[in-house]
Amino acid sequence: DVKVTQSSRYLVKRTGEKVFLECVQDMDHENMFWYRQDPGLGLRLIYFSYDVKMKEKGDIPEGYSVSREKKERFSLILESASTNQTSMYLCASRQNYEQYFGPGTRLTVT
Amino acid sequence: GENVEQHPSTLSVQEGDSAVIKCTYSDSASNYFPWYKQELGKRPQLIIDIRSNVGEKKDQRIAVTLNKTAKHFSLHITETQPEDSAVYFCAARMDTGGFKTIFGAGTRLFVKA
Repeated sequence: DVKVTQSSRYLVKRTGEKVFLECVQDMDHENMFWYRQDPGLGLRLIYFSYDVKMKEKGDIPEGYSVSREKKERFSLILESASTNQTSMYLCASRQNYEQYFGPGTRLTVT
Repeated sequence: GENVEQHPSTLSVQEGDSAVIKCTYSDSASNYFPWYKQELGKRPQLIIDIRSNVGEKKDQRIAVTLNKTAKHFSLHITETQPEDSAVYFCAARMDTGGFKTIFGAGTRLFVKA
């Protein structure tokens, strides 16, 4: 059974803080993704990675960066958090077709 | 790039009725179309998918149809039950451009008992 875990379920940060969201998968998947989920907008891709140290911008990468130093771990970094980054963040991993999602991190930036 | 539109945004049906959710996509190169169900407070989970070489796929009470010419695909849920209440996302994926999956905006389905 694939397991994708995220470091926090809920997070509250202040404007300007640097924020790290961690995602870990235990199935040796090559592809990992970070999405944000907002009402009425569905799931929007921020960044993805298809191998260690490889990363590609998604549709809304501005204000974010990522790190993939190990295959099982994909980190999303908010360099300087802003209120418009308040959202639900979902990590996912994939080997072939099906994506497996983590439980999500609800981030509030005040 | 690929764009996926999903309708309706909200759907309310009586228990036992059928529910249909429709999606259109823009890039004819898309060749894989999954549907995800997200219950309140939970992660999205794949419920059914279809590949572009297939026109229809069925799994018990859910089915998905694909019309490649018109570039649209639909989710059909028959004999709906209250536990079908959730947000449903369609998605489309290309084999080019880094294997990105583009999601629709979601449909909130309410099944009234």
